[in-house]
Amino acid sequence: DAKTTQPPSMDCAEGRAANLPCNHSTISGNEYVYWYRQIHSQGPQYIIHGLKNNETNEMASLIITEDRKSSTLILPHATLRDTAVYYCISWKASGTYKYIFGTGTRLKVLA
Amino acid sequence: GAVVSQHPSWVICKSGTSVKIECRSLDFQATTMFWYRQFPKQSLMLMATSNEGSKATYEQGVEKDKFLINHASLTLSTLTVTSAHPEDSSFYICSAIWGPGNTIYFGEGSWLTVV
Repeated sequence: DAKTTQPPSMDCAEGRAANLPCNHSTISGNEYVYWYRQIHSQGPQYIIHGLKNNETNEMASLIITEDRKSSTLILPHATLRDTAVYYCISWKASGTYKYIFGTGTRLKVLA
Repeated sequence: GAVVSQHPSWVICKSGTSVKIECRSLDFQATTMFWYRQFPKQSLMLMATSNEGSKATYEQGVEKDKFLINHASLTLSTLTVTSAHPEDSSFYICSAIWGPGNTIYFGEGSWLTVV
């Protein structure tokens, strides 16, 4: 599976947009980019995923570069409840189905 | 979206005993489920892939005789930690694949403390 790298931590002011980067330079053509977040002592929560087009849902937007080697998760108006560890995973929906988690980004939203 | 539920949410057991954790897919059938463990301030580590009606596939370094996985139905997978020791204390999380996009959804997790 492709390896992803993320900054270990970020701070964001409440109400501002939080932009979380992810590098997946070895991603293959049929691998999707998935984003999850994990709030302390809970299971990971699905946020969004995409292949090559930008995606948006009620939680966030996902911007994938044209070469697909990196992506950015955008939380448009961060709130204190968005404080969590955010994981970026590249994965293809076939084969072994193994989801491999990296270390993620610990986002702290500041009041 | 899909719902994956785990039970119990937390459990305390004595060293040397066995403890079972259940993972259920509440509104869909899951032929494949995954089990992870997570130590404090660390990322999730995949332990095994649970396949309905067949043996689980364990990741390298995970003792299959210690962590027994049974996936007897399309909505239930169980993880049994046998002869538990304090070092087995951890947060155990299961997940399942659902939907046309084959998205993986996670349970709430189960805290195991071995005393």
